[in-house]
Amino acid sequence: DAGVIQSPRHEVTEMGQEVTLRCKPISGHNSLFWYRQTMMRGLELLIYFNNNVPIDDSGMPEDRFSAKMPNASFSTLKIQPSEPRDSAVYFCASTNTIRRVNTGELFFGEGSRLTVL
Amino acid sequence: DQQVKQNSPSLSVQEGRISILNCDYTNSMFDYFLWYKKYPAEGPTFLISISSIKDKNEDGRFTVFLNKSAKHLSLHIVPSQPGDSAVYFCAANRWRNAGNMLTFGGGTRLMVKP
Repeated sequence: DAGVIQSPRHEVTEMGQEVTLRCKPISGHNSLFWYRQTMMRGLELLIYFNNNVPIDDSGMPEDRFSAKMPNASFSTLKIQPSEPRDSAVYFCASTNTIRRVNTGELFFGEGSRLTVL
Repeated sequence: DQQVKQNSPSLSVQEGRISILNCDYTNSMFDYFLWYKKYPAEGPTFLISISSIKDKNEDGRFTVFLNKSAKHLSLHIVPSQPGDSAVYFCAANRWRNAGNMLTFGGGTRLMVKP
């Protein structure tokens, strides 16, 4: 079974450039999440989608960040313009919330490590 | 406002002994608590969970204990093995806005020495 697939695995860019991170959730999952991991803040939720609709984007740091989910099998997280403080590992995760009992278990991708110089 | 906290950034344990990882939370609305394990260059993977109505859940070498009155949970690994060396994240779930909202702690790096 294919897990959550993220690309690119590593991205090095210069300040001011646009960065696009991509995610393919597990087939059949209806919820998708973007998390960011930093040393200072640990794993923080940026945004999540339910049935392709953004439900909560209160964790998105600022207007430079945007996320889309045009269909059930693809999502993007875009940073424009990027800044050095955006350097982090960005994780995408998915789950199926159409269950009677839902523990909240998420399935994570391997992450995209972003370095902004 | 950190709703889930892991106060120990690291823990070192001898192989065969017990590892105890701790987690505190502030929001009494959480309905499930989960532990995730993360190896370098990989995503977090689910390890074990516990419902807020239980006080213990066991799965092989892993046991999670929940003390609701203290808003505290712990993960026990017995016996610890070198392959358990990883970063462990505590997470709390709350059903909100038609979806799950998982809030993570900062993680504890466990090192199991052979």
